[in-house]
Amino acid sequence: AQRVTQPEKLLSVFKGAPVELKCNYSYSGSPELFWYVQYSRQRLQLLLRHISRESIKGFTADLNKGETSFHLKKPFAQEEDSAMYYCALTGGGNKLTFGTGTQLKVEL
Amino acid sequence: KAGVTQTPRYLIKTRGQQVTLSCSPISGHRSVSWYQQTPGQGLQFLFEYFSETQRNKGNFPGRFSGRQFSNSRSEMNVSTLELGDSALYLCASSLVRADTGELFFGEGSRLTVL
Repeated sequence: AQRVTQPEKLLSVFKGAPVELKCNYSYSGSPELFWYVQYSRQRLQLLLRHISRESIKGFTADLNKGETSFHLKKPFAQEEDSAMYYCALTGGGNKLTFGTGTQLKVEL
Repeated sequence: KAGVTQTPRYLIKTRGQQVTLSCSPISGHRSVSWYQQTPGQGLQFLFEYFSETQRNKGNFPGRFSGRQFSNSRSEMNVSTLELGDSALYLCASSLVRADTGELFFGEGSRLTVL
């Protein structure tokens, strides 16, 4: 079975502070990990995927197979980063499984 | 290019009734996935259809069913509604199989069961 755990329901940081949204997963095979984001009154959308090794809107995420983690990081939070963030996992042709999400609130 | 369209956007039903939700994917997309979103459980996978065939199914009772038509449009049906079925039902389409990870979501159909 595949499982995604996001331990924080709410993460509050000040503008300009570093951000780290935690994601841990459980999967016996070779996983593919993703971060999705939902801004207020917008649709859920893909933010980034681990295989691309890209930085989107200043966010990066590194897959750590030893720790089974895929934390989302940004060095300096911006007000427009306030949103709901979901970590998601797939592998072996299986469904895309989402975590329960973390609400990021960037305070001025 | 038009995004994923879900209808109806809001609906209210009573226990025991049934409901049908519709999803029109992005043009050219062949896969449609359905998710149930609730505050406590987050996004729970219902099923995925690809080229009119159910490709994956989540852990929901048989009251939840779906289908996909030749034009890739999809419907999901919930029979004998229960209070716990109140949720936002999200549809997502992808160009190929959903396990590639790049899903495009609709705005959802919010179902309230009284």
